[in-house]
Amino acid sequence: AQTVTQSQPEMSVQEAETVTLSCTYDTSESNYYLFWYKQPPSRQMILVIRQEAYKQQNATENRFSVNFQKAAKSFSLKISDSQLGDTAMYFCAFWNYGQNFVFGPGTRLSVLP
Amino acid sequence: KAGVTQTPRYLIKTRGQQVTLSCSPISGHRSVSWYQQTPGQGLQFLFEYFSETQRNKGNFPGRFSGRQFSNSRSEMNVSTLELGDSALYLCASSLRSGALDTQYFGPGTRLTVL
Repeated sequence: AQTVTQSQPEMSVQEAETVTLSCTYDTSESNYYLFWYKQPPSRQMILVIRQEAYKQQNATENRFSVNFQKAAKSFSLKISDSQLGDTAMYFCAFWNYGQNFVFGPGTRLSVLP
Repeated sequence: KAGVTQTPRYLIKTRGQQVTLSCSPISGHRSVSWYQQTPGQGLQFLFEYFSETQRNKGNFPGRFSGRQFSNSRSEMNVSTLELGDSALYLCASSLRSGALDTQYFGPGTRLTVL
């Protein structure tokens, strides 16, 4: 079964600085999708970024980018120019065809003024 | 376009009772997935419905069931509630099944079992 690990339960970063959240996963599949979701306090979960495993180019969405290392089964999220609104729980997730979404335990990120 | 809505937002039940939660997806979305979120187990997939058919099911006991109607609205039912069923239940909708399209999450239903 696929597993997703996020080794940093909590992190903090100063406003305007850069922070990287770690995620590793375990799978024997070759084609799959990886995601980062953001769950702000008392607000709905939203998709931050998605990466398809067969694409070698790292996905980027404005200030959010990933470092996808397929061989190492690593999928880290980099947030540049951190903003107060980035304060949230961040979940790394894995999905492949015929399987269910598997989420990591989450990393609580606090952006400090 | 209205987002995913879930009703009720909060619910308190006692052990042994049953409960039904409702999820209305974004208009045009045909896939609805349900998740259970707890501090101890994190976010766990319950099941997915697409065009009124259950596509995938997570590792939950048979007390957890669901259905989807022709208008894509979905309900989740938990029978014989246990204390451990206390959780935030999230639903998410998307155009197609699986990860082909972005999932949009609802605000969740907070279930407390006493």
